[in-house]
Amino acid sequence: DGGITQSPKYLFRKEGQNVTLSCEQNLNHDAMYWYRQDPGQGLRLIYYSQIVNDFQKGDIAEGYSVSREKKESFPLTVTSAQKNPTAFYLCASSPGLAASLYEQYFGPGTRLTVT
Amino acid sequence: AQSVAQPEDQVNVAEGNPLTVKCTYSVSGNPYLFWYVQYPNRGLQFLLKYITGDNLVKGSYGFEAEFNKSQTSFHLKKPSALVSDSALYFCAVRDMATGGFKTIFGAGTRLFVKA
Repeated sequence: DGGITQSPKYLFRKEGQNVTLSCEQNLNHDAMYWYRQDPGQGLRLIYYSQIVNDFQKGDIAEGYSVSREKKESFPLTVTSAQKNPTAFYLCASSPGLAASLYEQYFGPGTRLTVT
Repeated sequence: AQSVAQPEDQVNVAEGNPLTVKCTYSVSGNPYLFWYVQYPNRGLQFLLKYITGDNLVKGSYGFEAEFNKSQTSFHLKKPSALVSDSALYFCAVRDMATGGFKTIFGAGTRLFVKA
């Protein structure tokens, strides 16, 4: 089965702790993305990566960090500096070449709750 | 700046009736437009896209969308709604200012289909 996996589905953390969300794809896509979804606000881009060992900040990168050491993996760390980390986090991928022509493939999401 | 707007937070329609979910866009250059659907606590699923060619685009699950350049719109339509179509729908446009890697999403429209 080809696709994107995110784990875990639900994650609970105490305030002040860093937490890492996993995202893996076996679609051989170059580009990968992390979005945050809050009720009534649609999707907001946190970070994206066009290719291995390269990534760019999105619209709301503060308090988050990423790495892209392997083509298939793009983990997101939510740091204690993120003021409102409770949200639904979505990972996506798409082909890198002529990226504008292709749709994004989304994982099932991780719901993070920080108390 | 490129943007996409979904003017309706919610659309209600009776099962068997036609449905329309509205989307307007603002881009410089040619638009690359997409529709996605999201079921509760799930990732987004791709429905259809307009890149070039025919203004009427057909997609998954019987959905279609009409690209109207003069009105800068890309409305999603279905001739006969099903209860199972109830979900959150997102219109999106590729941000060509970043080489097409970034996607700008609308805020989403929640569709309710009543039996």
